[in-house]
Amino acid sequence: SQQGEEDPQALSIQEGENATMNCSYKTSINNLQWYRQNSGRGLVHLILIRSNEREKHSGRLRVTLDTSKKSSSLLITASRAADTASYFCATDSFNDYKLSFGAGTTVTVRA
Amino acid sequence: GAVVSQHPSRVICKSGTSVKIECRSLDFQATTMFWYRQFPKKSLMLMATSNEGSKATYEQGVEKDKFLINHASLTLSTLTVTSAHPEDSSFYICSCGTASEETQYFGPGTRLLVL
Repeated sequence: SQQGEEDPQALSIQEGENATMNCSYKTSINNLQWYRQNSGRGLVHLILIRSNEREKHSGRLRVTLDTSKKSSSLLITASRAADTASYFCATDSFNDYKLSFGAGTTVTVRA
Repeated sequence: GAVVSQHPSRVICKSGTSVKIECRSLDFQATTMFWYRQFPKKSLMLMATSNEGSKATYEQGVEKDKFLINHASLTLSTLTVTSAHPEDSSFYICSCGTASEETQYFGPGTRLLVL
């Protein structure tokens, strides 16, 4: 079942700008992951952050996790047209690798 | 990274027919495979979890007799949509997981259109 909510639902930015999207969840988690989906395609794993971690970087991506607020953010710096996609957060719980996905944020990067 | 394929990538069928979708892990052994359904501009909804050699575990509200899942080997799982109806039209995505990793690797998806 879905437990994540993401905001904004849609985001349009100029190439070179940063894009920030947020994800909130309801129950305790083990990990939180961010995935990217290009239109009509499968999901590509971006980054995983564990419940005992607060921040993680991977290239132009920065993810934060605040378990007290049950929320996470994904920051894409210096965006490119190729970053245009939908971004989903997904959580799993301890001893259960089933993923529960958020509603997603659609990002459009204008050239 | 790990590669997961799905076949077919898209299928159009008549109402009442059955459609089989294959999910293969190409370069690793997947102990667990997951099947998701995604409606346009919506998120992924988990349908079922399957472990090799055992029966699939279906999520609440998913009819197991309608969506037959077979996980015959560590590299292949199939989803059969039986007696398809137009409301079964959707994007079906599989993912594969291993015992040692927490990340799931997703297939490219299969778009099903039932006329």
